[in-house]
Amino acid sequence: DVKVTQSSRYLVKRTGEKVFLECVQDMDHENMFWYRQDPGLGLRLIYFSYDVKMKEKGDIPEGYSVSREKKERFSLILESASTNQTSMYLCASRGSGRAEADTQYFGPGTRLTVL
Amino acid sequence: GNSVTQMEGPVTLSEEAFLTINCTYTATGYPSLFWYVQYPGEGLQLLLKATKADDKGSNKGFEATYRKETTSFHLEKGSVQVSDSAVYFCARGGLTFGTGTRLTIIP
Repeated sequence: DVKVTQSSRYLVKRTGEKVFLECVQDMDHENMFWYRQDPGLGLRLIYFSYDVKMKEKGDIPEGYSVSREKKERFSLILESASTNQTSMYLCASRGSGRAEADTQYFGPGTRLTVL
Repeated sequence: GNSVTQMEGPVTLSEEAFLTINCTYTATGYPSLFWYVQYPGEGLQLLLKATKADDKGSNKGFEATYRKETTSFHLEKGSVQVSDSAVYFCARGGLTFGTGTRLTIIP
């Protein structure tokens, strides 16, 4: 089974702090994603990566950056956290083989609160 | 752009009731279609999928049929259980999700 893990389930930070959210997958997937989930808005794509050191902006990249130095790890960085970044953050990974047919595998999520 | 529109919730049903959650998608190309489920305190997990027109995805008693003519992928279950209480997301292709429908089943 594919396993996607996230470094924290719950995180509380203060405005202006630099925040790192880590995601690791164990299935050698090429593609990795960061979403945020907010009530009434569903999942919104922040950034994704289709290979090591490659990244693409999603729908709401402002205020975020990412890092993919190794294939299994994809980090989301909040350079200077703000209260409007309080949210649930979900990481996902996806293979590129035909059998995968775009299925994404999600981590359990990190609920971030910025005070 | 690509989009998915799904039935707004919350939806509350009694145990053993019939369930339908509507989902429509924009028709650009021939995307794979998915339903994901999120149980309380967890991430999303794949419930079922369909990769081409007229395909039916099914799992755990849930079904959805890829309808190209109506650009729809409605989720159905004949008899829901309390354990089906969760948030359900329809998704188009790899990156576009609906807003989610919260389902609560009461005994």
